[in-house]
Amino acid sequence: AQSVTQLGSHVSVSEGALVLLRCNYSSSVPPYLFWYVQYPNQGLQLLLKYTSAATLVKGINGFEAEFKKSETSFHLTKPSAHMSDAAEYFCAVRRRGSYIPTFGRGTSLIVHP
Amino acid sequence: DSGVTQTPKHLITATGQRVTLRCSPRSGDLSVYWYQQSLDQGLQFLIQYYNGEERAKGNILERFSAQQFPDLHSELNLSSLELGDSALYFCASSLAGTSVDEQFFGPGTRLTVL
Repeated sequence: AQSVTQLGSHVSVSEGALVLLRCNYSSSVPPYLFWYVQYPNQGLQLLLKYTSAATLVKGINGFEAEFKKSETSFHLTKPSAHMSDAAEYFCAVRRRGSYIPTFGRGTSLIVHP
Repeated sequence: DSGVTQTPKHLITATGQRVTLRCSPRSGDLSVYWYQQSLDQGLQFLIQYYNGEERAKGNILERFSAQQFPDLHSELNLSSLELGDSALYFCASSLAGTSVDEQFFGPGTRLTVL
């Protein structure tokens, strides 16, 4: 069975600082990997996805993530945090050939002025 | 605005009751997904439909059922409601329903069971 672990339920950064949100997956073969953002009182929005092309994936709003098979990780980064980045972030995994996603528990990003 | 609409926005009901949540996908999308988000369980995939047919089933209770109609809108029926069913229920849609399709999420229906 596949699983997703997001380290840290809350991450706090200063505006302008590096954002690093961690995601590790457990899967027998490299799966498809996704990062979503959820703003208060809204649904999820796809930030980026890895589907076995380039291991460094660029997404919207300046976010990117790198797939590292040896570390079974797919960490999300952004060089400089903005106040508008404050939200809940979810990592998700989907086994190849499966339609069923598994989501991490989410990480709340807090951005201080 | 994702283009996915869900009604109602809020729903308050009592234990033992039955409710219906509605979802209209984005124009042109053939696949609809239902998710449950709660503090206890996090975000859980419930079920997926593609062009009217069930495609995948996740952690959906037997008290819950869903369907997708010919006009592609979908309904999630929750019956014999329990306190633990209180959650945010999201609908999402995608074009072809493949495992790499981008899913577009609606704003959710907040269900409160008293």
